[in-house]
Amino acid sequence: EAGVTQFPSHSVIEKGQTVTLRCDPISGHDNLYWYRRVMGKEIKFLLHFVKESKQDESGMPNNRFLAERTGGTYSTLKVQPAELEDSGVYFCASSQEQGWGDYGYTFGSGTRLTVV
Amino acid sequence: SQKIEQNSEALNIQEGKTATLTCNYTNYSPAYLQWYRQDPGRGPVFLLLIRENEKEKRKERLKVTFDTTLKQSLFHITASQPADSATYLCALSPWSTPLVFGKGTRLSVIA
Repeated sequence: EAGVTQFPSHSVIEKGQTVTLRCDPISGHDNLYWYRRVMGKEIKFLLHFVKESKQDESGMPNNRFLAERTGGTYSTLKVQPAELEDSGVYFCASSQEQGWGDYGYTFGSGTRLTVV
Repeated sequence: SQKIEQNSEALNIQEGKTATLTCNYTNYSPAYLQWYRQDPGRGPVFLLLIRENEKEKRKERLKVTFDTTLKQSLFHITASQPADSATYLCALSPWSTPLVFGKGTRLSVIA
């Protein structure tokens, strides 16, 4: 089966610009997660979708971040306007169950965002 | 505050030996704990999951233990190979909440 696909793999934008990251989860996975790793820190949770609904968005840093999941399929994460501290690697993951099955989360390769 | 600590940032071992990585946590009551492998430029890859009522889990050369009294998980790779070199991440979750990750331990297996 196809894995979790993220696009783009890299993005360099100027402070104040807008960037949209996309994630295509594994087909049939209702649960979709966004995580972020900033340099030197651990991978941190941003938000969790179940189908098209936001189950938990407690990790979203502020209202410059907007996530959507159209029709419960792919998801987008928009940062507008981008700030320097938004730089990092953004990971998307999907799972069939809410992570306590025997299969864990399947992660994409991430989008490396650099804000200059 | 809640914290997950992986014992060392980096661990070097000789090929053929057993690598042991440690994950300690405070102020969590995890329902389960997972271990992931991450290679440079890639996302984490799921390896093993162990539940709070399980003491030990094995998969091929991998073994995970979970001690909820000590608040600790140990991850072992037996007969290690250079191909096992990667960063290993511990992640845990209380019920119905997303995974929380440790910083990881970078393992280097030297031939």
